[in-house]
Amino acid sequence: GAGVSQSPRYKVAKRGQDVALRCDPISGHVSLFWYQQALGQGPEFLTYFQNEAQLDKSGLPSDRFFAERPEGSVSTLKIQRTQQEDSAVYLCASSGPGGSGTQYFGPGTRLTVL
Amino acid sequence: KQEVTQIPAALSVPEGENLVLNCSFTDSAIYNLQWFRQDPGKGLTSLLLIQSSQREQTSGRLNASLDKSSGRSTLYIAASQPGDSATYLCAVQTGTASKLTFGTGTRLQVTL
Repeated sequence: GAGVSQSPRYKVAKRGQDVALRCDPISGHVSLFWYQQALGQGPEFLTYFQNEAQLDKSGLPSDRFFAERPEGSVSTLKIQRTQQEDSAVYLCASSGPGGSGTQYFGPGTRLTVL
Repeated sequence: KQEVTQIPAALSVPEGENLVLNCSFTDSAIYNLQWFRQDPGKGLTSLLLIQSSQREQTSGRLNASLDKSSGRSTLYIAASQPGDSATYLCAVQTGTASKLTFGTGTRLQVTL
């Protein structure tokens, strides 16, 4: 595709519900990143995939957060038993092999937990 | 742990002014530094990327400089326009496929 796409763009969940956020990276990009951006803050790293391998999940805030990329393309970030502090914008980015390391970001999913 | 700081947090200038946004980072062992723009409710748009071996990059009215040894970067915007109003984020990367560490951003408003 032309860019990174994310769905849904907006998600409202009741506390305790599970949510799944989807990211479609740029075709051919092997690296995929998830970031969490709280209101008024810069994005913070959650996890990183190279193809289907999750190489770094050090930023995931708790075991309620889980990410997968089973075929090395589309990725899903799942949050179980959502809490109010999970309310944020979740950004996905992808980058190609080699090159300058430029990451291309999607529009984000705004999650609101009531 | 890498920490990135941006000053000022917010800035309001009249149209036509030149301005400078500042970014500092604590660990000088970086691979590159990127400046992004974020419009309200939107994702991030990459403006400029400076490799660690470079001193500056230019794109149109934008010029970014990097002093790796002192842990500083600046983004210079010439002849500001109302369309430049956005949040500007600085981020550093330690490897070609590593995570970005972001600052908290500078919210810029350019008034008519």
